[in-house]
Amino acid sequence: DIVMTQTPLSLSVTPGQPASISCKSSQSLLHSDGKTYLYWYLQKPGQPPQLLIYEVSNRFSGVPDRFSGSGSGTDFTLKISRVEAEDVGVYYCMQSIQLPPFTFGPGTKVDIK
Amino acid sequence: EVQLVQSGAEVKKPGESLKISCKGSGYSFTSYWIGWVRQMPGKGLEWMGIIYPGDSDTRYSPSFQGQVTISADKSISTAYLQWSSLKASDTAMYYCARLTDKYGDFRRGYFDYWGQGTLVTVSS
Repeated sequence: DIVMTQTPLSLSVTPGQPASISCKSSQSLLHSDGKTYLYWYLQKPGQPPQLLIYEVSNRFSGVPDRFSGSGSGTDFTLKISRVEAEDVGVYYCMQSIQLPPFTFGPGTKVDIK
Repeated sequence: EVQLVQSGAEVKKPGESLKISCKGSGYSFTSYWIGWVRQMPGKGLEWMGIIYPGDSDTRYSPSFQGQVTISADKSISTAYLQWSSLKASDTAMYYCARLTDKYGDFRRGYFDYWGQGTLVTVSS
């Protein structure tokens, strides 16, 4: 299985300040079709996960533009340009280039200072 | 509006059987894979398996193969996750989620809509 790692595992951010989460995969997520199958999810407290970013850098419908994704190969980053109170929760990266199974990172817990 | 509505919380004893459900609406249920994801208490997300309701093609994570059964009834737009003999270690929140495969290949798909979760508690 592809192993996903995330750093940091927890992050405390002042509202209005930026935040950044790193995700690394044990194998390249670049497919022979030229696309990279890396996704980001946010699980707010008491809620199911919600899709933020698909294929490294594409925001899902309704996701604010303060969220952005970047990276390639095995190294990826999720950035929040200005953290808001509603952004608290656990952020997960996920790969889907190798199945089964899709694998998730361990999660990064973000809270507000 | 795409919606996945899961059945309610369950409390069971070890050794009992259980079947939980996930009803889809707002889209063509037979045209998208549905997956199940486990989240043990205080832990992360684990991909269990997926099913294509159109033809019941099912794929399991090796970690869950033989431990659970995934099925679907396309006539009522509902997917299921079942256990024949529960263990205490099955205590978890279980989510269903729709898998979108933009390129017609589930191997390059992702979960875009999620159910609200079903909490399963197994305790003697």
